[in-house]
Amino acid sequence: NAGVMQNPRHLVRRRGQEARLRCSPMKGHSHVYWYRQLPEEGLKFMVYLQKENIIDESGMPKERFSAEFPKEGPSILRIQQVVRGDSAAYFCASSPPASLNTEAFFGQGTRLTVV
Amino acid sequence: QKEVEQDPGPLSVPEGAIVSLNCTYSNSAFQYFMWYRQYSRKGPELLMYTYSSGNKEDGRFTAQVDKSSKYISLFIRDSQPSDSATYLCAMIRSGGNEKLTFGTGTRLTIIP
Repeated sequence: NAGVMQNPRHLVRRRGQEARLRCSPMKGHSHVYWYRQLPEEGLKFMVYLQKENIIDESGMPKERFSAEFPKEGPSILRIQQVVRGDSAAYFCASSPPASLNTEAFFGQGTRLTVV
Repeated sequence: QKEVEQDPGPLSVPEGAIVSLNCTYSNSAFQYFMWYRQYSRKGPELLMYTYSSGNKEDGRFTAQVDKSSKYISLFIRDSQPSDSATYLCAMIRSGGNEKLTFGTGTRLTIIP
C-alpha cells in the first residue's frame, strides 16, 4: 500500500507564475489536509477536503490560493501569481473516513521555490 | 500568543542520554496530543499520541500529558544517532477529522 504521494517533490516558479501541487492520498483515504511549513517554523494548517467538498479552509490565504479534491484523481493545491513569500514546503496528509485524525499520514512534501 | 509553544532548540545530547522535549499550549479544548518526527527534507512521521492526561510508553519513547498545566513532554531513553531529527508536537480538540495545530518543532542532534 503506497503512502501519500506528492508531486512534484521540488518546484521552481518565477514570480507571477502559477504553481500546482498534487497529492494522491493513501488507498481508501477520503480525507485530505494541506499544510505549509516555512523555514524554521512548524506546519500551519491550510485546508481540509473530502471528495468534492471543502470542509475547512480557514488557513487558506484569501487570494491566489485554491484547493480541490475531485471525485477522480489527486487533490490539487493551486497558487496563482506566486510571490517570493510563497516559497515553502507544502505537505499533504490523508486519513480514512470516520477516523481519528491521529491516523493521518503525511506525504514527503513539495518544496516550492519562487525566484 | 501562539496556541502551541515549543522550544526550537537546537538541542544536542550525547548518545545514550535521556532526551526531554516539551510543549505548552493555551487552548484547554485540546484533548489529543501527538508527537511527530521529521527528518531533514522529509514529511512528518507520527511517533505516538496520547488522549487527555497521562503517560504512554512505546519502546524507548514515553509521552506525558499534564492538562492541568497545559504541558506535554516526550522522553527518549537510550538516545541513538538515528534519533537526530526535528520533533514536532501537535494537538487537536477532538478525535474526529480536524486540523492539527503544531508546535514549531525542536531540532535534536544525538552526538555519537
